[in-house]
Amino acid sequence: AQSVTQLDSHVSVSEGTPVLLRCNYSSSYSPSLFWYVQHPNKGLQLLLKYTSAATLVKGINGFEAEFKKSETSFHLTKPSAHMSDAAEYFCVVSDQGSTLTFGKGTMLLVSP
Amino acid sequence: DAGVTQSPTHLIKTRGQQVTLRCSPISGHKSVSWYQQVLGQGPQFIFQYYEKEERGRGNFPDRFSARQFPNYSSELNVNALLLGDSALYLCASSLIGGRGSSYNSPLHFGNGTRLTVT
Repeated sequence: AQSVTQLDSHVSVSEGTPVLLRCNYSSSYSPSLFWYVQHPNKGLQLLLKYTSAATLVKGINGFEAEFKKSETSFHLTKPSAHMSDAAEYFCVVSDQGSTLTFGKGTMLLVSP
Repeated sequence: DAGVTQSPTHLIKTRGQQVTLRCSPISGHKSVSWYQQVLGQGPQFIFQYYEKEERGRGNFPDRFSARQFPNYSSELNVNALLLGDSALYLCASSLIGGRGSSYNSPLHFGNGTRLTVT
């Protein structure tokens, strides 16, 4: 069985400050891990995916995530937040199957 | 290139009615998946179809059914609607489907159909 826990339902930052969105996973297999972003009234967009080739994964729009097997974590970071980053972010796990299991989401709020 | 397109964008139905949602995948994509996103929750997997065959089914009642057509488009049907079926229904396409495909063939999502059941 696979599951994902996003540790914060809401995260608030000021523009220009770092972003940290936390995610812990549980998987019976060597997992595939993803971060998706959802802007209001829009579909989900893939930010990045863990490929097992490197523990630090770089994605679009300056986001990156680090896979830590010992901590079963896959936290999402960005050095400097932009107003356009305000959205809901989902951590996702797949146990090498074809289906994705989503976390409950973290709403990122960015203030000027 | 056009992304994943879903129709209609919004729909209002009454309890007990039936609804059909439609999805056109990205050109060249042969797999379509359906997800249900209830307000305040992450999306939940309903079905995956690949090459017109069902390759996966989530924990949803038999009131939910789907099919994939020869052109790889797909329909999701929900019978005997309940208030709890109110949600955003997301369709996603990928190049391939089946075991291991989530690693090699990421999903591309449409903007969804907002279903309201009254």
